[in-house]
Amino acid sequence: RKEVEQDPGPFNVPEGATVAFNCTYSNSASQSFFWYRQDCRKEPKLLMSVYSSGNEDGRFTAQLNRASQYISLLIRDSKLSDSATYLCVVNEGNGYNKLIFGAGTRLAVHP
Amino acid sequence: GAGVSQSPSNKVTEKGKDVELRCDPISGHTALYWYRQSLGQGLEFLIYFQGNSAPDKSGLPSDRFSAERTGGSVSTLTIQRTQQEDSAVYLCASSQGSGNTIYFGEGSWLTVV
Repeated sequence: RKEVEQDPGPFNVPEGATVAFNCTYSNSASQSFFWYRQDCRKEPKLLMSVYSSGNEDGRFTAQLNRASQYISLLIRDSKLSDSATYLCVVNEGNGYNKLIFGAGTRLAVHP
Repeated sequence: GAGVSQSPSNKVTEKGKDVELRCDPISGHTALYWYRQSLGQGLEFLIYFQGNSAPDKSGLPSDRFSAERTGGSVSTLTIQRTQQEDSAVYLCASSQGSGNTIYFGEGSWLTVV
């Protein structure tokens, strides 16, 4: 079983749509959680951290359920520029960054 | 400002040859990480440096892989006797402290033929 599992997609949605990505992780001792964005043939970049209380950054909302070991990302009012692969990331390091990445979910937003 | 710099950006090598990949972290960043991303796969943790020492090298896939860091700055990842399954993007990242946000370089794309 993979440590971080995501639906690979692709999710093909029209502009303006709301889309949700889910992720599960296996290590209950994981310390912190993130969503990264990766454009084609580019390096991953941090999109946002994820907290149990839920957090929002503009059109993006992230949620963590520690009991279920489940992480979600909601994108509202999708833009063409949101097209990318979204990586669910779990930090298993004890006092340092040992980031464990999911394989990613591809999003394609069309006009 | 200068980000994480990696070289070469692309490398094609013959099976059995050794390769060296270089990473120049962001100035002042004490922590450095190497990851590998195979085609269509997620990133795979290889090794973590704090200063010049590597407290966690649990992700190195075999003894053909080694890495070092000198002067608390530049790091080199060496793959000996390359195999076709070593073909991947090798990404380096750095962070100011061991728990701070990490920043990735653009990667070194390795193809073993």
